[in-house]
Amino acid sequence: QQPVQSPQAVILREGEDAVINCSSSKALYSVHWYRQKHGEAPVFLMILLKGGEQKGHDKISASFNEKKQQSSLYLTASQLSYSGTYFCGTETQGGSEKLVFGKGTKLTVNP
Amino acid sequence: DAMVIQNPRYQVTQFGKPVTLSCSQTLNHNVMYWYQQKSSQAPKLLFHYYDKDFNNEADTPDNFQSRRPNTSFCFLDIRSPGLGDAAMYLCATSPGLSYEQYFGPGTRLTVT
Repeated sequence: QQPVQSPQAVILREGEDAVINCSSSKALYSVHWYRQKHGEAPVFLMILLKGGEQKGHDKISASFNEKKQQSSLYLTASQLSYSGTYFCGTETQGGSEKLVFGKGTKLTVNP
Repeated sequence: DAMVIQNPRYQVTQFGKPVTLSCSQTLNHNVMYWYQQKSSQAPKLLFHYYDKDFNNEADTPDNFQSRRPNTSFCFLDIRSPGLGDAAMYLCATSPGLSYEQYFGPGTRLTVT
């Protein structure tokens, strides 16, 4: 079951904040976040395991609400380099080795 | 640097002509994945290996096959490419269960 990401696209000015959401209809074991720039491979950002933890990565952080079966990615003080498409990948069974990716959120950061 | 390498980066093949894409890794990861990604879409898992154990997705067409002769290499064979198979094919590796995935640069396949 493919997770649902929102919004589909967002346009920011440099320095603004953004939140990208990922929700699932199934119980989640883990949520992965990746960023893909045009014509390039996805790059791993972070992984959150069930337990409601929040992780940080420079000015990019994420939370995972196991009960609500959703995760959010927070980008603060956005930089031009943040532009790209953000995918969440969800794992619904621990140790299944595979992810199902959402359709992605296209983030554009303008000067 | 440890990495995931895909060859070729661009492949043009004719309708129905078999094609093989290759992936190699220096990360010594147990798990290797093949994804298909069409324009503006999410990567779609085709199959994956955990060591030598092959796991095929239920909706992966029979036209797609894979081989993993050793830990470092994995191949994607498309027996009779159709126009609908034109896409970016991404190889990824992972140290194991529920770990992050490391993607190669991809092979863009064009079918004429």
